[in-house]
Amino acid sequence: EMQLVESGGGLVQPGGSLKLSCAASGFTFSDSAIHWVRQASGKGLEWVSRIRSRGNNYATAYAASVKGRFTISRDDSRNTAYLQMNNLKTEDTAVYYCARFFESMDVWGKGTTVTVSS
Amino acid sequence: DVQMTQSPSSLSASVGDRVTITCRASQGISNNLAWYQQIPGKIPKLLIYAASTVQSGVPSRFSGSGSGTDFALTISSLQPEDVATYYCQKYDSAPLTFGGGTRVEIK
Repeated sequence: EMQLVESGGGLVQPGGSLKLSCAASGFTFSDSAIHWVRQASGKGLEWVSRIRSRGNNYATAYAASVKGRFTISRDDSRNTAYLQMNNLKTEDTAVYYCARFFESMDVWGKGTTVTVSS
Repeated sequence: DVQMTQSPSSLSASVGDRVTITCRASQGISNNLAWYQQIPGKIPKLLIYAASTVQSGVPSRFSGSGSGTDFALTISSLQPEDVATYYCQKYDSAPLTFGGGTRVEIK
């Protein structure tokens, strides 16, 4: 069974940092692009970032709202992707999902909650 | 960046009704469009990709159409388990923008 499991969420003060992890199983992680999508409570889905596979030079991209503050990375030896979030703002409060991209986002994790509050 | 506009933002229909949700891209995206269903309290689920290809395991009452800038998701016969919010998403290039969502309820 293909599966993604996020971890690393929590409560952090504005200006603080968190690093989210996305652990994959059941598919060839190293061949897959991984995306992060977030959803604030009661709001819609917002695409955050993606990292492509080694074959695509690990190319990364970010939403304008997080560019310069968030960094996506991956460790294919651990079948895990990461999202380093710095200089967090209250508007970053959301459930963060990771998703595999294969023709579209076909596998999603259950999400991890990030709360930015003083 | 390309904007994705969904309409309506919400709708209420009867069981058995045909329901259509539209999604418009501010620039052409060929057929690089997906539709997702998010049942309340659940994670998003892929329904349609490449504008009209139904994901494996998705009921045949769901279909997608369109290309370029105008797309549609149709539920041919609405069922109670279809109560959810539906999102379109472009994926031709980053940013992979989602539409604002359409909440579907049973009348």
